[in-house]
Amino acid sequence: AQSVTQLDSHVSVSEGTPVLLRCNYSSSYSPSLFWYVQHPNKGLQLLLKYTSAATLVKGINGFEAEFKKSETSFHLTKPSAHMSDAAEYFCVVSDLDNAGNMLTFGGGTRLMVKP
Amino acid sequence: DGGITQSPKYLFRKEGQNVTLSCEQNLNHDAMYWYRQDPGQGLRLIYYSQIVNDFQKGDIAEGYSVSREKKESFPLTVTSAQKNPTAFYLCASIGDRNRGGNTIYFGEGSWLTVV
Repeated sequence: AQSVTQLDSHVSVSEGTPVLLRCNYSSSYSPSLFWYVQHPNKGLQLLLKYTSAATLVKGINGFEAEFKKSETSFHLTKPSAHMSDAAEYFCVVSDLDNAGNMLTFGGGTRLMVKP
Repeated sequence: DGGITQSPKYLFRKEGQNVTLSCEQNLNHDAMYWYRQDPGQGLRLIYYSQIVNDFQKGDIAEGYSVSREKKESFPLTVTSAQKNPTAFYLCASIGDRNRGGNTIYFGEGSWLTVV
């Protein structure tokens, strides 16, 4: 069985400072990993995904994430936060079980950006 | 263009009524999912289906029902047994990793309000 843990339910940073949103996963196979962002009253938007190619993945809006198999982590980072980054962020694992592809969501991290 | 379509976007239900949310995809995806999101909360899995004519309960299936008679369609019925149905409902699909599919597609979501 797979699981996803987002280690912080809330993260608060000042504008212009780095962002770190943490995600740990467990998987019995070779997972694909995703980060999605959800702005208030909006649907989910893909930031980036890892699918067994380069371990450092660059996404949209200056975000990137590094897949570390030894640490079972896929933390999301951004060098400099912008006010528009304030949103809910979800880490998602896609893996195979006996029947096929299976999605598991983390609990979400709410990012707040202070001026 | 291929995609996933949810409807309606906004729906009001009287207490005691059943309502059905539609989810259709033209991506030839085997796996489809229904999630519920409450304000300020993460996504919780209601039901999922990894193949036509088969579906499995998720974490909060009580008060909901689904069908998967066609590959393209995975409708969710919110029954009168669901005591607190007001929420945002999100449908998702993903392709078969063994056939190169590895992208999650989300619908735009449906806002259900009980009046």
